[in-house]
Amino acid sequence: EIVLTQSPGTLSLSPGERATLSCRASQSVSSRDLAWYQQKPGQAPRLLIYGASSRATGIPDRFSGSGSGTDFTLTIGRLEPEDFAVYYCQQYGTSPPTYTFGQGTKLEIK
Amino acid sequence: QVQLQESGPGLVKPSGTLSLTCAVSGGSISSGKWWTWVRQPPGKGLEWIGEIHHSGRTNYSPSLKSRVTISVDKSENQFSLNLNSVTAADTAVYYCARESAWGYSYGPWGQGTLVTVSS
Repeated sequence: EIVLTQSPGTLSLSPGERATLSCRASQSVSSRDLAWYQQKPGQAPRLLIYGASSRATGIPDRFSGSGSGTDFTLTIGRLEPEDFAVYYCQQYGTSPPTYTFGQGTKLEIK
Repeated sequence: QVQLQESGPGLVKPSGTLSLTCAVSGGSISSGKWWTWVRQPPGKGLEWIGEIHHSGRTNYSPSLKSRVTISVDKSENQFSLNLNSVTAADTAVYYCARESAWGYSYGPWGQGTLVTVSS
């Protein structure tokens, strides 16, 4: 089973700054199978990025995903107040088909 | 647009069975997508439970497979989760969601429902 490790656990930044969140897989992951979600308190997760680098419908272009193999990154270009939340990466694995989430990165206001 | 709504008991006794239903509106459960259950213990991260296709095919988390059954009711346009032999560790917010338009990811999601396991 592939394990996803996200870092840092907590990231403290100010609005307007750039955020870089990391997701490292214990084995190589196809870019097709890597997604990122945003979750705010009391809300369901929201899909941000699919296929490692494609934005879901309605997601602002300040959100971007990159990476391949075992190292993936979510970048938020200029933080808006509404971007402070918890972010999860997720991967799809085969044999057997399963999904795994990272433990999350909390992005908090500095 | 597709919307999902979870429903079921908010309190389940230890060793009992947790049963939840996810009602799908604004679209057909026979759309060719996969439909999933994900849970989140209070203050913790997300855990994938399993998924079902309208054909009845299922995939389950290896860690929960022995206790989980996911089923689909096409006539009611809904799908369900049964988790047996529950303990306090199964206390969580349970979400249902649909495979995204692009695959290998999930969205939209239901709002979630808290299930507490306690006597």
